[in-house]
Amino acid sequence: QSVLTQPPSVSGAPGQRVTISCTGSSSNIGAGYDVHWYQQLPGTAPKLLIYGNSNRPSGVPDRFSGSKSGTSASLAITGLQAEDEADYYCQSYDSSLSAGEVFGTGTKVTVL
Amino acid sequence: EVQLVESGGGLVQPGGSLRLSCAASGFTFSSYWMSWVRQAPGKGLEWVANIKQDGSEKYYVDSVKGRFTISRDNAKNSLYLQMNSLRAEDTAVYYCARFLGYSYGDYFDYWGQGTLVTVSS
Repeated sequence: QSVLTQPPSVSGAPGQRVTISCTGSSSNIGAGYDVHWYQQLPGTAPKLLIYGNSNRPSGVPDRFSGSKSGTSASLAITGLQAEDEADYYCQSYDSSLSAGEVFGTGTKVTVL
Repeated sequence: EVQLVESGGGLVQPGGSLRLSCAASGFTFSSYWMSWVRQAPGKGLEWVANIKQDGSEKYYVDSVKGRFTISRDNAKNSLYLQMNSLRAEDTAVYYCARFLGYSYGDYFDYWGQGTLVTVSS
């Protein structure tokens, strides 16, 4: 099971701002490991959206922003657009006994 | 342009084996760690395995240790996943991904389109 918890769904009208939380623990986000975010459009492979907590790869609109504090991280989408309707996953590294890469539970963003 | 193309998925009976392949292009394959990530139908993402540039280090999620083996052939720009003793819970789309690591974290910057593995009798 995922060790990073996200809300199952968030929604907003076009143009609005939505945020997605990613809650971890002292063995992953709280241990200082960075958080990364992926967008998965329906029927497609995941795509890197944010890396190193707040950095956008080339080509990702600046409507997407990330932050991290303590044992949690957040992804914000401002000026929500219809094409942002997708699943979003956070990811970090976990240093517990079963050390390795861990993903969040995933959040479905719906544009109303 | 970075491209990752998986192949080898299909229907296999419980206890059976399957070998997935990933053909890489558009970057210097031998310079990067590589990974496999899977997604069960309607479920979230799960990291499966990583392999270092020269194959000298390999890491696996607990649920596949002893059953799956990740490998690579840098001369062929190819990544592999040998899956043995397959179980129903291994049913998923398997993605090949390029893996970037640094002091404070690791992430997957490019992904293939995925190949579906179905374990069923």
